[in-house]
Amino acid sequence: GQQVMQIPQYQHVQEGEDFTTYCNSSTTLSNIQWYKQRPGGHPVFLIQLVKSGEVKKQKRLTFQFGEAKKNSSLHITATQTTDVGTYFCAGGPNAGKSTFGDGTTLTVKP
Amino acid sequence: SAVISQKPSRDICQRGTSLTIQCQVDSQVTMMFWYRQQPGQSLTLIATANQGSEATYESGFVIDKFPISRPNLTFSTLTVSNMSPEDSSIYLCSVDTTGANTFGSGTRLTVV
Repeated sequence: GQQVMQIPQYQHVQEGEDFTTYCNSSTTLSNIQWYKQRPGGHPVFLIQLVKSGEVKKQKRLTFQFGEAKKNSSLHITATQTTDVGTYFCAGGPNAGKSTFGDGTTLTVKP
Repeated sequence: SAVISQKPSRDICQRGTSLTIQCQVDSQVTMMFWYRQQPGQSLTLIATANQGSEATYESGFVIDKFPISRPNLTFSTLTVSNMSPEDSSIYLCSVDTTGANTFGSGTRLTVV
């Protein structure tokens, strides 16, 4: 079945540094979504990418979908302590029925 | 996006018993989804709850262990049956609205 791999598993940064997490799928994806889960919370939808090579920005967050639609990345510029949490990518035929990556847990040192 | 009310938020249960988790959505949705998140792990889809038909289970999950009801387009329940400590997890329902997967707040289950 479909596998979605995510690296790194953990990332510790100093506040103000940049952060990137990468997502790779074993199969071509129709779309990819990104979620953020704060400690003790539930996953919150951030964005969905659909088109090959698509790039979307949300303030300090930049999301990319690879040309082959098998990989994606999330980049955070100048991290803040509010960025802490686990970031998941997920891909599938639709948003609801998705295969989630293992997540990247970000900690930010003030 | 949809608003989902999920309850209970947490429970501690004895092994061998069953727990039913409820999810109420503030709008009608065709499909609802149930996920499990084991401690420190990612999310795994258990099943898709379809209104008017049996739920569709993913590999490794069976109806006898995780029976699901979907009586209408705004409500679903998941029962964790004959629980063992290995069932200790967070259980989440979700709905897909215009490409965004919205999750309930989750049920943190501990089986002792």
